[in-house]
Formats: sequence, C-alpha cells, structure tokens
Amino acid sequence: QKEVEQDPGPLSVPEGAIVSLNCTYSNSAFQYFMWYRQYSRKGPELLMYTYSSGNKEDGRFTAQVDKSSKYISLFIRDSQPSDSATYLCAMDFLGGYNKLIFGAGTRLAVHP
Amino acid sequence: DTGVSQDPRHKITKRGQNVTFRCDPISEHNRLYWYRQTLGQGPEFLTYFQNEAQLEKSRLLSDRFSAERPKGSFSTLEIQRTEQGDSAMYLCASSRTGTSSQTQYFGPGTRLLVL
Repeated sequence: QKEVEQDPGPLSVPEGAIVSLNCTYSNSAFQYFMWYRQYSRKGPELLMYTYSSGNKEDGRFTAQVDKSSKYISLFIRDSQPSDSATYLCAMDFLGGYNKLIFGAGTRLAVHP
Repeated sequence: DTGVSQDPRHKITKRGQNVTFRCDPISEHNRLYWYRQTLGQGPEFLTYFQNEAQLEKSRLLSDRFSAERPKGSFSTLEIQRTEQGDSAMYLCASSRTGTSSQTQYFGPGTRLLVL
C-alpha cells in the first residue's frame, strides 16, 4: 500500500463547477500538506501549502486537512478550462529533509 | 525569469550511453532536490543537497546514478550505462531553510527517453 493514495481520475466537469480533489494517507507523522498543479509535460507548480490541520483559502482554491481521518482535500470554485491539469498532493514530516511524498495525481478536465 | 531551470529539456539516448542533466535552482535557495516521475505517477524523491552537501539518497538511486552540487549552486545528475527503465521525467526542485522550507519550487524537468 502506498503512503499517499490519490484517485487518478480522469475527472471531467463543466466550466463553473466546484471541483473536489482528495488524498488519503497512512502515516500519521505527516505534518505538511501541499497541492501542486502540473500541466502536460511541465514541472509541478505549487498551489497550496498547509501545516497541520485546518483550512486555507487562496482565491478560488481551498485546501482542507483532516488529520484525524488522514484525509486532505482541494476545492476549486468556478472552475475554468485553464484549470485542466493534473493535481498532485504532497506531504512531508516535521523536522524532515523536506523529502516530499507525492500522490499519483488526479487528472482534471474542465470543458467549456 | 528567476525560477528553477533545467537543461536539456529533452534527451533521447541509446541504451548503454551516459547522460548528464543540469539544474540551476532559484538563486537564494540553499536546498536542491532531484525527483523522477514516470507516466501516470507522482514524482519520486531521488536525492537532496543542502548547499554542496548531499544529505540523502533514495534507494531508487542505483550505483549508475550520481549527483553533484560542487559549489552549492547548480547541480548535475549523471546516469551511466542507461537502461530503458531509466526513461522518465527528471525534475529538479529548490527551497530554502527557514519558514515554509517545505515549499519546493520545481523546474520544467528533463524528459529522458532511452531507446
């Protein structure tokens, strides 16, 4: 079993929809949680960074962390075709060397 | 552009050849990472430098792989005697110590195809 599980999708939604992306993890020692967006054949781009539990909002994006359930989410409001990409969750330990552990990524397609 | 840069962006080589990739991190970042990403998977950690010191290597990094960061700035990743299984995207990332040091910024990657 992988440390970080992520549904690969693809997830197809109409423009304007609210998108929910999720990851589950097995190691309770993870303290830092990140979401990256990766366009085809490009490097990952950091979207959101959260420490421990709670919510964080940035524009149309909201990240949630529920450590008791070992579950993190990324919500995208008013989705746009330009949001079409692969979304990767990543995690790290407190006091670690920042060796990020990634999920496999969820492919999202937002159609006009 | 002050982001992470990687060179070359694409490399096609024949099995058994050696290849070398270069990464230039964001200038004020003292930490540098190499990851490998295969199709349909997330990036997997390979190795990590803090300044010029290589502090951790993954078991994925076989003896054919070597990485250097001689002056604590740019880094190189060399693969000797390439195998078809080495075909992947090789990603470099950088960050700095201090608050939010887990926020790593990735380069565009080097896509390697071994024939």
